[in-house]
Amino acid sequence: GAVVSQHPSRVICKSGTSVKIECRSLDFQATTMFWYRQFPKQSLMLMATSNEGSKATYEQGVEKDKFLINHASLTLSTLTVTSAHPEDSSFYICSARDGDRGYSPLHFGNGTRLTVT
Amino acid sequence: RKEVEQDPGPFNVPEGATVAFNCTYSNSASQSFFWYRQDCRKEPKLLMSVYSSGNEDGRFTAQLNRASQYISLLIRDSKLSDSATYLCVVDSSMYSGGGADGLTFGKGTHLIIQP
Repeated sequence: GAVVSQHPSRVICKSGTSVKIECRSLDFQATTMFWYRQFPKQSLMLMATSNEGSKATYEQGVEKDKFLINHASLTLSTLTVTSAHPEDSSFYICSARDGDRGYSPLHFGNGTRLTVT
Repeated sequence: RKEVEQDPGPFNVPEGATVAFNCTYSNSASQSFFWYRQDCRKEPKLLMSVYSSGNEDGRFTAQLNRASQYISLLIRDSKLSDSATYLCVVDSSMYSGGGADGLTFGKGTHLIIQP
């Protein structure tokens, strides 16, 4: 069964609105979760690292004010795409490790397909 | 960020055949290696970890060659359901070269099994 749950799986919104995506770890606690974006036929690109109880760290080129991350508990991280525009349309995926870093593979959420009209 | 390279394919393979593809990595300090499978418009799912001694899981065999810095995936008796994109993922979390998650993703190899 899934160990990381992501919601919603699909969302269509109008340009200028904000969208919140939730990522939950099931049956394990995750002090760190990761958010990725994947454009068609491209590899996953890490956007940011969500840290429980502290600020997220963002990869170069990712606007922290546009992609708000909150990691309020050990099992939940949220990504909010603010003032979404059509170019933000993409597949957003979260992940978390269940175990020691470097020895345990990542488990991915089922992804959220965002379409901004 | 160090690179992970894969042949994007597509590999068109008849059902029942054996297919293999490689993935090369440039960071010699990489520690862990994984193959993920990603179906169209879905999230990646772990297929198997790759161990130094090589490992097998049913019809799937993964190998690691540290000297030449590549990993391989072999699929025997291929099924239609094996059609997917296979992502090579290299974990360098203990050293520089990976992202904050320590991972570098290949762009994937697209496999099409034909009836």
